[in-house]
Amino acid sequence: QQPVQSPQAVILREGEDAVINCSSSKALYSVHWYRQKHGEAPVFLMILLKGGEQKGHEKISASFNEKKQQSSLYLTASQLSYSGTYFCGINRGSGGGADGLTFGKGTHLIIQP
Amino acid sequence: DAGVTQSPTHLIKTRGQQVTLRCSPKSGHDTVSWYQQALGQGPQFIFQYYEEEERQRGNFPDRFSGHQFPNYSSELNVNALLLGDSALYLCASSLAGSSEQYFGPGTRLTVT
Repeated sequence: QQPVQSPQAVILREGEDAVINCSSSKALYSVHWYRQKHGEAPVFLMILLKGGEQKGHEKISASFNEKKQQSSLYLTASQLSYSGTYFCGINRGSGGGADGLTFGKGTHLIIQP
Repeated sequence: DAGVTQSPTHLIKTRGQQVTLRCSPKSGHDTVSWYQQALGQGPQFIFQYYEEEERQRGNFPDRFSGHQFPNYSSELNVNALLLGDSALYLCASSLAGSSEQYFGPGTRLTVT
């Protein structure tokens, strides 16, 4: 089942914060976050594993709530370079290994100066 | 350290034809996954190859087939092309047992 992302799109001013949510109807073992800019390949941001800690990368962090079967991506003090489409992907299998991923439809993030 | 590479970059084919797309994984990676990304959508998993065998397969017809070579590079073949096969085809490589997958730049296939 495809994970559901929200919101579908968000427009921010540079320096503002954003939260992107990803939820699943099935039990989650891992959630992968990618950012894709127009005309480019998705770029790996981070992975959240079941039982793992909240991860962070500069001003981008994420959490994983196993009970609610959802993950959230937090972008703090957004920069122009954060613009793009954010995808969450969940493992097709039951482990956290490099299984094929099922991606959500994406969240379009536009950062304005 | 070379990342994931794909060829060709763009391709235009006619309905009913066959196409082969190629992927070289990131250095040190042994697993290759293929995805189809339609315009405005997230990538959809086609299949994954490890040790020259198809390990997992998504919900795609048998017209989609693949191969992995001893050097871990991979091919995606699509037969009897349909207009709906027009998409960006992405290859992602990973190391068996690792959760991180790295995407190549993709091949843009247009079927007319």
